[in-house]
Amino acid sequence: GAGVSQSPSNKVTEKGKDVELRCDPISGHTALYWYRQSLGQGLEFLIYFQGNSAPDKSGLPSDRFSAERTGGSVSTLTIQRTQQEDSAVYLCASSLGETANYGYTFGSGTRLTVV
Amino acid sequence: GDSVTQMEGPVTLSEEAFLTINCTYTATGYPSLFWYVQYPGEGLQLLLKATKADDKGSNKGFEATYRKETTSFHLEKGSVQVSDSAVYFCALSDLTNYQLIWGAGTKLIIKP
Repeated sequence: GAGVSQSPSNKVTEKGKDVELRCDPISGHTALYWYRQSLGQGLEFLIYFQGNSAPDKSGLPSDRFSAERTGGSVSTLTIQRTQQEDSAVYLCASSLGETANYGYTFGSGTRLTVV
Repeated sequence: GDSVTQMEGPVTLSEEAFLTINCTYTATGYPSLFWYVQYPGEGLQLLLKATKADDKGSNKGFEATYRKETTSFHLEKGSVQVSDSAVYFCALSDLTNYQLIWGAGTKLIIKP
């Protein structure tokens, strides 16, 4: 596609429920990144994909968080048993190539609210 | 390791004022440098970038010059508008790094 697409744009869920967040990167971009941004805060790295592999999962905050990428394209971030501290904007970005030297293109994010 | 330091915000200016947001970096290699902007309720957008020393990136009236001698990439605009109110992030990457290294962001508030 022309840009990075994320869905849903907003999600309100009850504490304890599972949620899935979707990212559709720019066609041909092999690198895909998930970040979390809490209100008024900076960017917190979660996970990096190169193709379908995730060489760096170091930012996932707990084992309730997981992510996968299929076909070198769409990625899904899953949060199990959501907690109120998971409330944040989840941003996806994609990039051409194996370095960040080209910069990233970001999606508009998914605003997750856990009530 | 590599790092980026930005001036703390919020920065509050009146419309038509001159803007400078400071960004300095630490890197072992020869990084590319970026400024991203995040408008309220939106994702980040690439504002400008520079890939080598003395390069000047520019877009939408904003400019930043890659200064290797001072390891800086300060963002400037001659006359800001209310619509420039946003959070600005400075970032770097080097050729060996798959990640951008981010500054903490600087919130800019422009008053009419």
